[in-house]
Amino acid sequence: AQSVAQPEDQVNVAEGNPLTVKCTYSVSGNPYLFWYVQYPNRGLQFLLKYITGDNLVKGSYGFEAEFNKSQTSFHLKKPSALVSDSALYFCAVRDRGSTLGRLYFGRGTQLTVWP
Amino acid sequence: NAGVTQTPKFQVLKTGQSMTLQCAQDMNHEYMSWYRQDPGMGLRLIHYSVGAGITDQGEVPNGYNVSRSTTEDFPLRLLSAAPSQTSVYFCASSYSFESSGNTIYFGEGSWLTVV
Repeated sequence: AQSVAQPEDQVNVAEGNPLTVKCTYSVSGNPYLFWYVQYPNRGLQFLLKYITGDNLVKGSYGFEAEFNKSQTSFHLKKPSALVSDSALYFCAVRDRGSTLGRLYFGRGTQLTVWP
Repeated sequence: NAGVTQTPKFQVLKTGQSMTLQCAQDMNHEYMSWYRQDPGMGLRLIHYSVGAGITDQGEVPNGYNVSRSTTEDFPLRLLSAAPSQTSVYFCASSYSFESSGNTIYFGEGSWLTVV
């Protein structure tokens, strides 16, 4: 069964420090991997995705994520955090062979960046 | 280009009432879906559609109906609202179901409270 785990409910970092939001997945075959961000009372905004090729994916707002097939992980990273990065982050996976076409979401990680 | 538009943004219902959440997209996307978001549970798929006239159930379909008479619109109907349906609902769409790597875009959400 497909699943996504975000092991940390909350991540707190100081502004200017690097941040990492962790994600591991379990899916049959090779997945498509996504990160979304949700600001309070707003919808989900697409950040980046891994389809194929380079394991390091660059996305919006200076975020990047590294696909590690052996560890089945897709951690989200940013070299220097901003207070405005504070939001709820979701990792999601889509099975390449799925006829359902759905995204499987993690439970979300609340990122707080302190000034 | 408005993207994915949901209405209403906020709604309070009494138990047993019915209502329809509207969703429209102007991107000519084939694939549309409805998710519900509950605290600590990520997003769960309710129903989805791979094109006009075609719908199917997702992970948590009970108590909800959908139809897809046009490419643009994908309304979600609550037949007889229950407190367990208190949630945030997101409509989502992507260009083509056949390529699972396509990004899924989300609406701004509909906050529903059933009392």
